[in-house]
Amino acid sequence: NAGVTQTPKFQVLKTGQSMTLQCAQDMNHNSMYWYRQDPGMGLRLIYYSASEGTTDKGEVPNGYNVSRLNKREFSLRLESAAPSQTSVYFCASSEAYRGSYEQYFGPGTRLTVT
Amino acid sequence: SQQGEEDPQALSIQEGENATMNCSYKTSINNLQWYRQNSGRGLVHLILIRSNEREKHSGRLRVTLDTSKKSSSLLITASRAADTASYFCATGNTGFQKLVFGTGTRLLVSP
Repeated sequence: NAGVTQTPKFQVLKTGQSMTLQCAQDMNHNSMYWYRQDPGMGLRLIYYSASEGTTDKGEVPNGYNVSRLNKREFSLRLESAAPSQTSVYFCASSEAYRGSYEQYFGPGTRLTVT
Repeated sequence: SQQGEEDPQALSIQEGENATMNCSYKTSINNLQWYRQNSGRGLVHLILIRSNEREKHSGRLRVTLDTSKKSSSLLITASRAADTASYFCATGNTGFQKLVFGTGTRLLVSP
């Protein structure tokens, strides 16, 4: 099992460009999450999908959109990148509805916006 | 906003020593979790303690929870160089689990 995979690992964008970060999990989890991690800030939740077919905003959703493509895949899109979106992005999954609350994380995508 | 704040922000010890890090949070919780993050990697779940528990052990890890003080501590006994990492606490509420992470403690264990 690969667990949670993310692509790409690194990306450099110019201001105004768009891109989609991909995430997939093979653990048959219902819930998936996108976080960003900035120095000294810990992880902040951008969007989450409690189950297939649903998505909701987290703490810092502005400038992002998400798509829960199917049970395995949850993508994060930056429509018009800004330097403030330079960060490390992590995808995670869990079985939150079944009392198993631990989250499994992908390796991250390091995004730089110039 | 961050729910949890870890203390200290950074901790440097020698191999074999114990490492203690603390987490304070602001609102009522259902559970509190600790995660480890090695440099440049994703987070790995270490241990979960529920709000009705006071102490939990897992290998060299000991976690305590004091809901009256809204605080938790993580003790790593007999530290090893491989324990060098950042450690985050995360709190979960009742219902659907949206975790709120603290700012982390950077632990350096020197051989």
